[in-house]
Amino acid sequence: AQTVTQSQPEMSVQEAETVTLSCTYDTSESDYYLFWYKQPPSRQMILVIRQEAYKQQNATENRFSVNFQKAAKSFSLKISDSQLGDAAMYFCAYRSKGGTSYGKLTFGQGTILTVHP
Amino acid sequence: DAGITQSPRHKVTETGTPVTLRCHQTENHRYMYWYRQDPGHGLRLIHYSYGVKDTDKGEVSDGYSVSRSKTEDFLLTLESATSSQTSVYFCAISEPWSGNTIYFGEGSWLTVV
Repeated sequence: AQTVTQSQPEMSVQEAETVTLSCTYDTSESDYYLFWYKQPPSRQMILVIRQEAYKQQNATENRFSVNFQKAAKSFSLKISDSQLGDAAMYFCAYRSKGGTSYGKLTFGQGTILTVHP
Repeated sequence: DAGITQSPRHKVTETGTPVTLRCHQTENHRYMYWYRQDPGHGLRLIHYSYGVKDTDKGEVSDGYSVSRSKTEDFLLTLESATSSQTSVYFCAISEPWSGNTIYFGEGSWLTVV
């Protein structure tokens, strides 16, 4: 079974600065998806970014980018130019491709990000 | 917006009573899921469906049942609610054309007293 670990229960950053959230995972599969979800106080789960394991290039979405290290099984999220609206809980998640695991997400425990003005 | 509506959004119920949560989607998604979120656990899969009347168990399915009699509705039932089932419940959908990304509803807060 896959596991996802977020070792930072809480992180903080100053507005306009950069912060990196860590995520490691364990799997024996060679092809899979990785995601970062944001959960603000409203508890809505919002997709931030996704990465397909077979793609070498790191995914980027505006101020959000990932550092995907497949051999190290590491998937960190970098938030540049942090904004007050970035304050939320961030979850890293793993998803197998196909088979009986289709659609099942395995989540990390989450990292609470605080943004200071 | 993946067109997912959960109801009720908030419910308080007594131990031992049956509870049904409804997930309604408007975009003909084939795959639907129920997750629960508890402190320290992230989200965990309860049950999922890959078509009408096709369902399967997730990692925390004990005490829960599901039904999907039509594409747009996926029901989660707690036959006899317990305090350990106090949680936030999320419905979700996915489709291959969306890059296999899972999109979530807004959540249903359930308190069992």
